[in-house]
Amino acid sequence: GEDVEQSLFLSVREGDSSVINCTYTDSSSTYLYWYKQEPGAGLQLLTYIFSNMDMKQDQRLTVLLNKKDKHLSLRIADTQTGDSAIYFCAESSNTGGFKTIFGAGTRLFVKA
Amino acid sequence: NAGVTQTPKFQVLKTGQSMTLQCAQDMNHNSMYWYRQDPGMGLRLIYYSASEGTTDKGEVPNGYNVSRLNKREFSLRLESAAPSQTSVYFCASGRGAGQYNEQFFGPGTRLTVL
Repeated sequence: GEDVEQSLFLSVREGDSSVINCTYTDSSSTYLYWYKQEPGAGLQLLTYIFSNMDMKQDQRLTVLLNKKDKHLSLRIADTQTGDSAIYFCAESSNTGGFKTIFGAGTRLFVKA
Repeated sequence: NAGVTQTPKFQVLKTGQSMTLQCAQDMNHNSMYWYRQDPGMGLRLIYYSASEGTTDKGEVPNGYNVSRLNKREFSLRLESAAPSQTSVYFCASGRGAGQYNEQFFGPGTRLTVL
């Protein structure tokens, strides 16, 4: 089946940039998403990108998509302690219908 | 608006007991989902309902049943709980047309099966 992979942990210092990477296998992916999960809570959509875009910027967040390599990244500029959370990469496609495939999540630790 | 609500928040069961996890959404979404979250495995889809009156299996349906009671409510039932079903369960509802499918998540139910 289709798969989404991401590394499990990332540690950065406060004020640095964080880059979280993700790879996916579904070549028909049409939307790719980044969700954030804070401790004890459900997931919340952070941002998304349509597959015909290379980049999307939203304040401190930059999403880069390399469709050829099926690689997605999320850059958080000026990372703050409040950004400590689990970040999930996800994709949906024509073939998936109403389903969305989620990665395992990257736990971001921000050191003061 | 409450968004997506789930009950209970915590539950401890003994092996073989049954229970139903409740989920409701007030956003008038057509699609609803049940996921389980386990360490290192991310979210795995158990069942989903694309619209009222329909349900379909996801990636890990064994040991579970669902009911889409109406447009608002989607329940998940464990008929005979097993320790392997110890997990955090999330309900979600889907917004969007076509392939864009932003999902809204409930706060989760933390289930332990002894």
